[in-house]
Amino acid sequence: AQSVTQLGSHVSVSEGALVLLRCNYSSSVPPYLFWYVQYPNQGLQLLLKYTSAATLVKGINGFEAEFKKSETSFHLTKPSAHMSDAAEYFCAVSGRGGADGLTFGKGTHLIIQP
Amino acid sequence: KAGVTQTPRYLIKTRGQQVTLSCSPISGHRSVSWYQQTPGQGLQFLFEYFSETQRNKGNFPGRFSGRQFSNSRSEMNVSTLELGDSALYLCASSLEKRESTDTQYFGPGTRLTVL
Repeated sequence: AQSVTQLGSHVSVSEGALVLLRCNYSSSVPPYLFWYVQYPNQGLQLLLKYTSAATLVKGINGFEAEFKKSETSFHLTKPSAHMSDAAEYFCAVSGRGGADGLTFGKGTHLIIQP
Repeated sequence: KAGVTQTPRYLIKTRGQQVTLSCSPISGHRSVSWYQQTPGQGLQFLFEYFSETQRNKGNFPGRFSGRQFSNSRSEMNVSTLELGDSALYLCASSLEKRESTDTQYFGPGTRLTVL
């Protein structure tokens, strides 16, 4: 069984400040991990994914995430927030080697303060 | 290359009716997955189709069903609608989905409202 916990349903940061969105996972097999972003009235867009090639993963729009097995975490960061980053962010896990659907966290709404 | 398209974008139905939603994957993609998104339950996996066969299914009642055609287009059907079925239904396509690393590309969703 797999699960994802995103700490903080809402995160507010000032424009130009560090963005840190937390994600912890639980998986009985080595996981594949994903971060998606959803803008209002739109579908999900992939930001980045971890597939065991490298623990630090760089994605689009300046985001990156680090896989830490010992902490079962995959936190998303961006050094400097931009107003356009305001959106809902979802962490997801997929089990290895099968046609499993993605298991999503509840999401974190990122608010950017001017 | 065109993205995943879903039709219709918005739908209003009444309890007891049935509804069919359509999804056209990215050209060349053979796997289509469906998800339900609600404020209370978040994003939940419904089922996945590959080569016209359902390969995996989430924990939803039998009222939720789907199919995939030879051109990879997919439909999902919900029968005997309940108020709780009101949600955003998202379709995602990927190339093969044999490996769980395959990126799923999502459509804009169909927002279903059940009155």
